[in-house]
Amino acid sequence: AQKVTQAQTEISVVEKEDVTLDCVYETRDTTYYLFWYKQPPSGELVFLIRRNSFDEQNEISGRYSWNFQKSTSSFNFTITASQVVDSAVYFCALGNAGNMLTFGGGTRLMVKP
Amino acid sequence: EPEVTQTPSHQVTQMGQEVILRCVPISNHLYFYWYRQILGQKVEFLVSFYNNEISEKSEIFDDQFSVERPDGSNFTLKIRSTKLEDSAMYFCASRKGDRHTDTQYFGPGTRLTVL
Repeated sequence: AQKVTQAQTEISVVEKEDVTLDCVYETRDTTYYLFWYKQPPSGELVFLIRRNSFDEQNEISGRYSWNFQKSTSSFNFTITASQVVDSAVYFCALGNAGNMLTFGGGTRLMVKP
Repeated sequence: EPEVTQTPSHQVTQMGQEVILRCVPISNHLYFYWYRQILGQKVEFLVSFYNNEISEKSEIFDDQFSVERPDGSNFTLKIRSTKLEDSAMYFCASRKGDRHTDTQYFGPGTRLTVL
């Protein structure tokens, strides 16, 4: 069975602060896929990043960076210099071979001006 | 940029009625999915569909649910006899084909309210 835990249900920061959203996953599969999606107040799910289990390379995209550590089964997401527009619910998800996604409970990020 | 579309955006129905939620996946995608999100909760997988048949389904996807690709563009989710607990946002997603490189792209969702 697959499981994704996002222990932080809600985080509040002030604009320009850095913030890290934690994601811990459990799976018995040797090949799997990890994702982050953003859900703004409008409700849609916006894809941010995917990582394959055989590719532990970390990634940076502008103010966003992701740290994949297989040894600790974690795939954390950092936003540098947060902005009000980053306010949303962020979901970490784990995909199996059929790409069925198991989502974490989400972290609500509130960035205050 | 191609995107997944869903209609209607909001559906209100009476308990016991049948509803059909419609999705148009991205045109060259081969794998299709339905997920649901009860208000304030996490997104849950319902079913995946490939080559005109169900690939995987969750425990939520019981006999009240069915999926169909009636033509080359639409992908539908039918709930035969809705219950109050079916009230949720339903998301359709599609992906192209290579599981090592592809990503599921989600539609904007249909909010289903069962009264």
